[in-house]
Amino acid sequence: DQQVKQNSPSLSVQEGRISILNCDYTNSMFDYFLWYKKYPAEGPTFLISISSIKDKNEDGRFTVFLNKSAKHLSLHIVPSQPGDSAVYFCAATNSGAGSYQLTFGKGTKLSVIP
Amino acid sequence: NAGVMQNPRHLVRRRGQEARLRCSPMKGHSHVYWYRQLPEEGLKFMVYLQKENIIDESGMPKERFSAEFPKEGPSILRIQQVVRGDSAAYFCASYGRTVGSPLHFGNGTRLTVT
Repeated sequence: DQQVKQNSPSLSVQEGRISILNCDYTNSMFDYFLWYKKYPAEGPTFLISISSIKDKNEDGRFTVFLNKSAKHLSLHIVPSQPGDSAVYFCAATNSGAGSYQLTFGKGTKLSVIP
Repeated sequence: NAGVMQNPRHLVRRRGQEARLRCSPMKGHSHVYWYRQLPEEGLKFMVYLQKENIIDESGMPKERFSAEFPKEGPSILRIQQVVRGDSAAYFCASYGRTVGSPLHFGNGTRLTVT
């Protein structure tokens, strides 16, 4: 029972273009969503988050969009840079549950081609 | 990631031995989470602890696994009588309990059971 799904295992994008990573969730109790970036042999690094009371959050080159009715969120990276090449994990939680337990997707490996 | 310290980075154990994984949270953080990542999978929640208390262990296997976070010292994840299926990356994360703050992950311990 995968409550957070990232259906694209990999994505290749040319440097300077937009990268769009997608994530779907099934649990309607999720109300806080996060994106983490992970390099090999390192832990996940927090990128950006969004609360369900918003539909967009922007931080520099990174923008996250949330469509609650579709239970879908996406991460946009503009412009993409070679250093963005990593695995990106979408995560979700029910902030009212108290334990801040994150449910992760399986990740999307982004390759930015110079 | 440097704020959350995990050791050892790599641990090799034979079947039937015990594995002890340590985690020191970021300075000022009193909430610790353990996650496990199997190959080609996302991170799976195991347990959430505060100092001297287990708050949520719903993701922990019922047998052989235990966790603690004593008043002094690091959090310990203990796996008794390891089996090959325990081979994974184990990540610790800490949290400062500020509204909207994310989990900060360590670089993980890679456990290999031979």
